[in-house]
Amino acid sequence: DTEVTQTPKHLVMGMTNKKSLKCEQHMGHRAMYWYKQKAKKPPELMFVYSYEKLSINESVPSRFSPECPNSSLLNLHLHALQPEDSALYLCASSQGWITSGKANTGELFFGEGSRLTVL
Amino acid sequence: SQQGEEDPQALSIQEGENATMNCSYKTSINNLQWYRQNSGRGLVHLILIRSNEREKHSGRLRVTLDTSKKSSSLLITASRAADTASYFCATAAVGGFKTIFGAGTRLFVKA
Repeated sequence: DTEVTQTPKHLVMGMTNKKSLKCEQHMGHRAMYWYKQKAKKPPELMFVYSYEKLSINESVPSRFSPECPNSSLLNLHLHALQPEDSALYLCASSQGWITSGKANTGELFFGEGSRLTVL
Repeated sequence: SQQGEEDPQALSIQEGENATMNCSYKTSINNLQWYRQNSGRGLVHLILIRSNEREKHSGRLRVTLDTSKKSSSLLITASRAADTASYFCATAAVGGFKTIFGAGTRLFVKA
């Protein structure tokens, strides 16, 4: 069982639709992540929120818009997606710590993913 | 962006044999982690090794880290059919939350 919950598990949308993926964790973790994974490929980092602020954006197209309403929730808003955006979208969280003024992270806890199909 | 390569890309062994997977990375790291993923599911954390550690054990898992060669290996001893999955290494950057995954090894354990 995972302590990171993602909804929906499956989503089919057209290229003109607007939809959102949701992620929730109650482990008190201060970092939350969105990864995109295509079949037989590794997860690719999209966004990282640390302490509820967007700290990493891996040059993701603006049709993907992340949001962190509070420390337990992470959303990914989707608009005007392309068929090549079809993939498994994984949310993760991690505990962070500060050493010598620098933030670091340990293991990631993943949700089961949201499988997105764009028609 | 991918951190580096894993080899082999795929590995097929019999139950009871050992499986070794290797991972190389490119940048300085705070720690390196190994994850397992069953088909189409989320990833499960297996083990973390810090940059100042050289070897770590957890049950049937043994991980080594060579920071001078920027490489790590994962050994699964006495493999079982249930170990069939994809295995990924991931590196956590120094000073930040950036965690990048390697290409992965698909392990098949035949009963």
